[in-house]
Amino acid sequence: GAVVSQHPSWVICKSGTSVKIECRSLDFQATTMFWYRQFPKQSLMLMATSNEGSKATYEQGVEKDKFLINHASLTLSTLTVTSAHPEDSSFYICSAIKGRGAVYGYTFGSGTRLTVV
Amino acid sequence: DAKTTQPNSMESNEEEPVHLPCNHSTISGTDYIHWYRQLPSQGPEYVIHGLTSNVNNRMASLAIAEDRKSSTLILHRATLRDAAVYYCILADSSYKLIFGSGTRLLVRP
Repeated sequence: GAVVSQHPSWVICKSGTSVKIECRSLDFQATTMFWYRQFPKQSLMLMATSNEGSKATYEQGVEKDKFLINHASLTLSTLTVTSAHPEDSSFYICSAIKGRGAVYGYTFGSGTRLTVV
Repeated sequence: DAKTTQPNSMESNEEEPVHLPCNHSTISGTDYIHWYRQLPSQGPEYVIHGLTSNVNNRMASLAIAEDRKSSTLILHRATLRDAAVYYCILADSSYKLIFGSGTRLLVRP
């Protein structure tokens, strides 16, 4: 089956520093990847859609200069949280799909717990 | 984005079937119905999806109403490992999955 690997699984960083999270599709080519974040006891909130070789599309209210997304290959997308602050502490999750339709199920990474101190 | 409505929580006894309902009255003809579940501190896990016909896989069955305005996820024999938040989501041509609040399933031993 389709596997998405997300790294790191958890990270603690100091306020003002940047953190990079990687999302890899291990056994399929993901033309589209998605980034979500989830606060405690809340549902997942879509942050952005990432297409290989093009700029990410951000959801309303998500700062694109703060959350940098790069989808350089068909198997790798990265999310960089720049100048992190404690309010950025959250659970970040990526997902990927094969092809360009909703015909296939979506595969999710295991998530990255970011704590900014 | 099309919306879904699910009960906030449901309870089941272990080894009994569970029927999780989902209403999606504004579904369009090309929207796929997806179900995912999430355990604490984990990413969502794919359960099943379908378009018009009922679907079965090793995890569950998906029963889709004839008018497609509702669907039911069926777990044939609930286990303690099935306790999770279950999300019913409509996937449209934008490819985006927009999560609602889901149904928290509690399984009693």
